[in-house]
Amino acid sequence: SQQGEEDPQALSIQEGENATMNCSYKTSINNLQWYRQNSGRGLVHLILIRSNEREKHSGRLRVTLDTSKKSSSLLITASRAADTASYFCATDVNSWGKLQFGAGTQVVVTP
Amino acid sequence: SQTIHQWPATLVQPVGSPLSLECTVEGTSNPNLYWYRQAAGRGLQLLFYSVGIGQISSEVPQNLSASRPQDRQFILSSKKLLLSDSGFYLCAQGGGSGGVFTDEKLFFGSGTQLSVL
Repeated sequence: SQQGEEDPQALSIQEGENATMNCSYKTSINNLQWYRQNSGRGLVHLILIRSNEREKHSGRLRVTLDTSKKSSSLLITASRAADTASYFCATDVNSWGKLQFGAGTQVVVTP
Repeated sequence: SQTIHQWPATLVQPVGSPLSLECTVEGTSNPNLYWYRQAAGRGLQLLFYSVGIGQISSEVPQNLSASRPQDRQFILSSKKLLLSDSGFYLCAQGGGSGGVFTDEKLFFGSGTQLSVL
């Protein structure tokens, strides 16, 4: 079964708007990561947040982690058409690199 | 930065035929390598991982096998493909080597889209 569950499954916004997606997981983690996948391509790592961190920023990305609720959110600010992709959260339970991925949120940004 | 080569990019195979997907990586010696599968509209499922030559761990029982004949080569195989083997197969490399992880993030290849008909 999947460890991470993303919400919403799909998101459609206009350029300049913010996009927020959420991830819930089931077991204790060492870290949680967000990846991006363009259609038919491999995944690209975006950001990693450790279990003892609550918030992290990278450019237009902001990630939060609430370990008490076993949830995380990814915010993309001032979205661009190039942000159109699927976004996946992945949890690292034992630091062996055996990440468990959710089903992803498909984001479409229209000009 | 890691460079991961996967081929072929797309593959259409009949049920019952064999499969061999190859992944090679550049850079780090003795890399930690992974095979993931992504079903249509789904997340990734870890199939195999390897921390060194000849060392393979399977995560789920299935119709597939993996081998690591060389340090930077990871191969996914099947003797007889099933319809349920269709999917997008991704090879990944983790930071660190030999089972030691210095950076938990994964680097992915561009994937192979396998259609079994």
